[in-house]
Formats: sequence, C-alpha cells, structure tokens
Amino acid sequence: QQPVQSPQAVILREGEDAVINCSSSKALYSVHWYRQKHGEAPVFLMILLKGGEQKGHDKISASFNEKKQQSSLYLTASQLSYSGTYFCGTDLTGTASKLTFGTGTRLQVTL
Amino acid sequence: DSGVTQTPKHLITATGQRVTLRCSPRSGDLSVYWYQQSLDQGLQFLIQYYNGEERAKGNILERFSAQQFPDLHSELNLSSLELGDSALYFCASSVLVTSTDTQYFGPGTRLTVL
Repeated sequence: QQPVQSPQAVILREGEDAVINCSSSKALYSVHWYRQKHGEAPVFLMILLKGGEQKGHDKISASFNEKKQQSSLYLTASQLSYSGTYFCGTDLTGTASKLTFGTGTRLQVTL
Repeated sequence: DSGVTQTPKHLITATGQRVTLRCSPRSGDLSVYWYQQSLDQGLQFLIQYYNGEERAKGNILERFSAQQFPDLHSELNLSSLELGDSALYFCASSVLVTSTDTQYFGPGTRLTVL
C-alpha cells in the first residue's frame, strides 16, 4: 500500500524550514528518503529504521515514529539546491526488496 | 554520478513493438531493481534480481520481463508496447538485500511510445 506524503507541494524562501511527512497504514521496517530533480534520477538521502531513531545529514534530518508508522523529513535553513521532489520509500518486508514509494512532495526554494 | 549506468538514454518506438533496456549496476552490487515512473503513477517497483535470481516482483505486467546475467548487468524487455508504457524507467542497485541497504539509481531510460 502506497504511503501518504504531505504536503503535496511547498514553496519556501531561502533560509526557511520545512517538514515533509510520510505515513503508512502498515508496520514498517524502514523508511528510505530520496530527492529527485526534474528529469534526473532519485538521489538517496537517508534510511530510518524502526526504533524511532533520528538521523541527520547536513541541515536535513529525519525521524521515524514507530507507533504512528510515520516518518518526517526536516529541512532546516533551506537552500536553493534543496528544490526538487522528495519521495519516501517504505519497506514492509525487512529486506528493502520492494520499496513502495509515496507520491512525492514537490519543494521549491526561492530567493 | 551514482555509478549505475543505463542505456539507451532515450527510446522512441511505436505501439506493438518490443524494446530492451539495459542496466549495469555499481561495481560490487549484487542486487538490481527496476522501477517505472510515469506522471500519474509515481515511482513504481517492477522487479528485483539478486545475484542472477529473481527476488521480488511488484506491479510488473506480463508483457514485461527481465533478467540478470552472470556479469550482473540486467535487461528489462518490454513487448507489445502500448501508449501507456511511455515513462521513465529506472534501474537501481544495492550491495545486498537488507533493510539498511541503500538503492542507488541510474540516470534512467525515457521511453516514448507513439
């Protein structure tokens, strides 16, 4: 079952913060976050494992709430390079063999 | 550059035809995944191979088939093509098949069916 991402789209000014959510109706082993620029390949950001851990990557961090089966991606002090579509891929099997991706959140950062 | 290569970059063909998309995984990666991305369907998992064997299947049509060869490159064959098959087809690779394994995506093949 496809995870639900929210919001569908967001426009930010450079330096502002954003949160992207990814919710699943099924129990997850892990959540994989990717960013894709138009016409390009998805680029890996980070993996969150069940257990509620939080990870960070420069000014992008994420958390995984196992009780809610929800992951959130936090973008702090956004830069123009953050623009793109963010996808969460959910792993229901523990093998990441069949990641089910959300419909994406389109993020645009402006000056 | 993820290290995953895909050919061709673009493919234009007619309905009813058959095409083959090729993918070479990153050096050392044993697992290959195929995804289809269209405007209305998002990123859809098609099939996965691990060290030459089929490991997982997603929403792959019967007209589509894939294989992974001994040198670990993979091919996705699409036959009896329909207009709705027009999409970006991505290949991804990973070392193993664990929950913490990162999938690295290739640049994709854009298929246009006229």
